Amino acid sequence: DAEITQSPRHKITETGRQVTLACHQTWNHNNMFWYRQDLGHGLRLIHYSYGVQDTNKGEVSDGYSVSRSNTEDLPLTLESAASSQTSVYFCASSDNRITDTQYFGPGTRLTVL
Amino acid sequence: DAKTTQPNSMESNEEEPVHLPCNHSTISGTDYIHWYRQLPSQGPEYVIHGLTSNVNNRMASLAIAEDRKSSTLILHRATLRDAAVYYCILFRDYKLSFGAGTTVTVRA
Repeated sequence: DAEITQSPRHKITETGRQVTLACHQTWNHNNMFWYRQDLGHGLRLIHYSYGVQDTNKGEVSDGYSVSRSNTEDLPLTLESAASSQTSVYFCASSDNRITDTQYFGPGTRLTVL
Repeated sequence: DAKTTQPNSMESNEEEPVHLPCNHSTISGTDYIHWYRQLPSQGPEYVIHGLTSNVNNRMASLAIAEDRKSSTLILHRATLRDAAVYYCILFRDYKLSFGAGTTVTVRA
């Protein structure tokens, strides 16, 4: 079955280190998204992509970057991790831009010490 | 961002219907109304969406007011597995904007 996976599921890192979170989908969806969710809050959009070589900033993009070299993957990089980036990160993908039904991965819990 | 207003929490008994209201008075003509839910320790899950007409699927029904300024998600027979945070979202500019949602508790 097609799916969307994230790795690692849990990560502990130190302030200042570069961290990359992986997202892989097998639906061949054009659209991919990264969100973060902090305790007791809804999801906030970090970056998104509508296809290979396309990337766009979301509402909380500072300190994060993405690249889209193929359809299946959208890795999220924290250039220099900060304690404020401790959060749960969700990746999602969708096929139809107009109605945009998104399918979410299981999440990565990141702790920055 | 397109704003929606939902109650913080709702409680229901198992096997009873649940009506989750959502106000979206600033909705524009091209905004789709989406509902997602998030079970504990999981990613959000699509529930249903609509534009103007009421919609039904295997999970729920979506009733949209005639002026589109409000909508109601209906879970016909709540089960313990329906306990989750339910998000009402206006899909605008090709993006979803999540609010705080409504936490639904189902009593056995």
